[in-house]
Parts: sequence; structure tokens; C-alpha cells
Amino acid sequence: NAGVMQNPRHLVRRRGQEARLRCSPMKGHSHVYWYRQLPEEGLKFMVYLQKENIIDESGMPKERFSAEFPKEGPSILRIQQVVRGDSAAYFCASSPDSLNTEAFFGQGTRLTVV
Amino acid sequence: GEDVEQSLFLSVREGDSSVINCTYTDSSSTYLYWYKQEPGAGLQLLTYIFSNMDMKQDQRLTVLLNKKDKHLSLRIADTQTGDSAIYFCAEKGQNFVFGPGTRLSVLP
Repeated sequence: NAGVMQNPRHLVRRRGQEARLRCSPMKGHSHVYWYRQLPEEGLKFMVYLQKENIIDESGMPKERFSAEFPKEGPSILRIQQVVRGDSAAYFCASSPDSLNTEAFFGQGTRLTVV
Repeated sequence: GEDVEQSLFLSVREGDSSVINCTYTDSSSTYLYWYKQEPGAGLQLLTYIFSNMDMKQDQRLTVLLNKKDKHLSLRIADTQTGDSAIYFCAEKGQNFVFGPGTRLSVLP
């Protein structure tokens, strides 16, 4: 049973381009959480999704950011028209349900906007 | 809203005990967690404690929870250089809320 897989591990985008970050949860997990870690800072919650549903997106910036978790395939965090301030590490976690004791984190995608 | 606070830095000598402290605000949190992050790496779950417990011990790690004061601590016995990392305290309601992390430096 592979852990939470995120790809790519490193992503470089020019200002104005789009960034797509993928997260494949652990087998049997239907809950996915996205977090952002700015340099030298802690992790900030962005969005919580179940299959085909957004449960809580209170941490998502209002513009340019979107997330989905389709019935088939990985969860995608999409950032349109990236700016330098989007440079960060983006972590995904998955859990079997909302009550589970722990969420398993992926290794993260480090986005650099140049 | 939910908030988790930690001191940002801690230095200890190899072989000493480290104590990392954390305060939180959400009294409804069912579980409280400690995660470890090494440079350039993801998050490693170290341990967690259920909110109706006072203490949990796991090898070199001891977690103490004072629910009345909303204070959580992580003690690492016999700290080694490999323990140098950032330690995050987190509470979980519907989502995880993380503290800013404590950077532990272990001096030889």
C-alpha cells in the first residue's frame, strides 16, 4: 500500500503560467486535505475534499486557486496565473474518513515561480 | 477561530531532554498531534494523544496534555543530533490546524 503520492516533487513556473499539483491518496482513502507552507512558516489549511465534493474551502484564496477530487484519478490543486507569492511547498494529506485519528501526508510539491 | 502557538526555537545539548510546548484554543479538538519535518522533507507523524488522556509515552517521546490550560508538550529523552528538525503541534477538528513549528537544534 503506497503512501500518499504527490507529483511533481518540484515544479518551476514563470509568472502568469498555470500550475497543476496532483495528489493520489492512499488506497481506500476518500478524504483529501491540501495545505500550503510558505518559506520558514507553518502549514496553512487550504481545502478539504471528499470524492467529487468540496467540504471546506475556507483556506483557499478567492481567486486563481481551485481544487477538485474526481471520482476517478488524483486530486488536483490548480493555480492559474501564478505569481511569485505562490512559491511554497504544497502538501496533501489523506484519511479514510473525517473521524480517523490521523491523516497521512505526502512529500509535498515545491512550487517555484520565477 | 482556531489557533495553535509554539515557541519558534529550542537548542539543547546531545543527550539532554528536549521539551517543546504548544498552546491551542479549540477546546473541542478530539486529537492533538506532533509532527516532525526535516529540511526539504514532508511531515512525519510522531505521536498523537486523545483529548481525554493526560499523558502518552512512546519510547523516547512523552506527550503531556493539560486540557484545562489547553497546553500540550512533547518531551524527547536523550536527544540526538538526528532529532534536529522542526516540530509542529496540530489540533484536529474537521481539519488540522498547525502551529508555526519549533526548530530544534541539537548541539554536540
